[in-house]
Amino acid sequence: DTEVTQTPKHLVMGMTNKKSLKCEQHMGHRAMYWYKQKAKKPPELMFVYSYEKLSINESVPSRFSPECPNSSLLNLHLHALQPEDSALYLCASSHQDQGNQPQHFGDGTRLSIL
Amino acid sequence: GNSVTQMEGPVTLSEEAFLTINCTYTATGYPSLFWYVQYPGEGLQLLLKATKADDKGSNKGFEATYRKETTSFHLEKGSVQVSDSAVYFCALSGRNFNKFYFGSGTKLNVKP
Repeated sequence: DTEVTQTPKHLVMGMTNKKSLKCEQHMGHRAMYWYKQKAKKPPELMFVYSYEKLSINESVPSRFSPECPNSSLLNLHLHALQPEDSALYLCASSHQDQGNQPQHFGDGTRLSIL
Repeated sequence: GNSVTQMEGPVTLSEEAFLTINCTYTATGYPSLFWYVQYPGEGLQLLLKATKADDKGSNKGFEATYRKETTSFHLEKGSVQVSDSAVYFCALSGRNFNKFYFGSGTKLNVKP
C-alpha cells in the first residue's frame, strides 16, 4: 500500500470545468511535489513545496494552481485545461527538500480532458 | 548539468533469466542515485538507492552499484520473474536540492 494517497483516481473534465486533485501523506515529510506523466514517458516536475511554501514552479501554465494548506496536504487546482493536459498526475513527498532524499509517490490521478 | 541516460526498451526475457538495465549519468557534484519501478496503473515505487560512490543498493533481488569512475548505476537481477514485468526508471538528485532527474524508462517484459 502506498503511503501517499491521491484522489480521485480518475477524472474526466471539460475544458471549461474547474476541479481539484488532492494528495495526502502522514509520514511527516516536509517536501511535496507535483509531477505530470504522459504515456511511456518519465514524470516531469511541475511544482515543489518545502515547509508549505512554494519553492519551485517549473514554468507551469497558470491554468494549474497548486496549494499546500498544511504539511500533510497538497492540492492542484485545475481550470480551463486543454486536451494536451490529459495525463497521469503524480504527487510525491520526501523528508526534506535537500538532496539524497528518496521521493515517495502516490498512485496518481488519471486526468482526461474532453 | 544533470541528466540520466537509460538503455532503450523494451527488454524481453524468459523467466529465470539474468537482467541488466544500463543507466549512466552526468552530474555536477556528488548526486544520489535511485531506481524506481512502475507497474501498470500505479505510481513509482522506490526500488533501491545509493548515496555515494561504491555504495550498493539492493532490494527484492535487485542490485545496483554506484560507479563514479564510469558514471553508471546499472540495475541487475539474477533471476527475473513474470511479476517483475514493469517500467524501470533510473534517477538522480543533486546534493543541494532534491530535484529528481529521471531517465526515459525501460520497459521489461518477462515471459513464462
